[in-house]
Amino acid sequence: AQSVTQLDSHVSVSEGTPVLLRCNYSSSYSPSLFWYVQHPNKGLQLLLKYTSAATLVKGINGFEAEFKKSETSFHLTKPSAHMSDAAEYFCVVSDSPNDYKLSFGAGTTVTVRA
Amino acid sequence: NAGVTQTPKFQVLKTGQSMTLQCAQDMNHEYMSWYRQDPGMGLRLIHYSVGAGITDQGEVPNGYNVSRSTTEDFPLRLLSAAPSQTSVYFCASSYSSTGRGATEAFFGQGTRLTVV
Repeated sequence: AQSVTQLDSHVSVSEGTPVLLRCNYSSSYSPSLFWYVQHPNKGLQLLLKYTSAATLVKGINGFEAEFKKSETSFHLTKPSAHMSDAAEYFCVVSDSPNDYKLSFGAGTTVTVRA
Repeated sequence: NAGVTQTPKFQVLKTGQSMTLQCAQDMNHEYMSWYRQDPGMGLRLIHYSVGAGITDQGEVPNGYNVSRSTTEDFPLRLLSAAPSQTSVYFCASSYSSTGRGATEAFFGQGTRLTVV
């Protein structure tokens, strides 16, 4: 069975400083991993995905994530936060090559201070 | 190419009423699913479909029905609304990638449902 734990429910950063959102997963197989972002009252948008290619994955808007199998982690980072990064972020896992089902973490709310 | 379209965007129901949330996609995706989003719980899978005529239950199916008569449409029916079904509902679709890992899901804009 697959599951996801987002280690921080809320992260607050100053504009221009780095952002780190932590995600640990459990999986019976080689997982596919995703990060989605949800701005207030909006749908979910894919930031990036890992599907067993390069372990360092680059996404949109300057975000990237590193897959570490030994640590079962898929942390999301951005070198310099922007006010527009204020949103909720979800780490998502699917752990079977032919399984469409996704398991979501509880989400991390990011606040950016001016 | 509209992607995934959900209607309505907002709905208020009285306890015991029934209604159908509509979802349509124009990307010819085989897989469609319904999630509910509640504060602090992420998104939880209600029902899903791997193709026309095939549906199955997800994590929280009680009180909901689905059907999939066409590839494009996947409506969600609330049989007898309860306050516990107050939530934001998202429909999603994705395409197959056999043996290459799950593909990303494309989400609709959501339906905010309040049951009073």
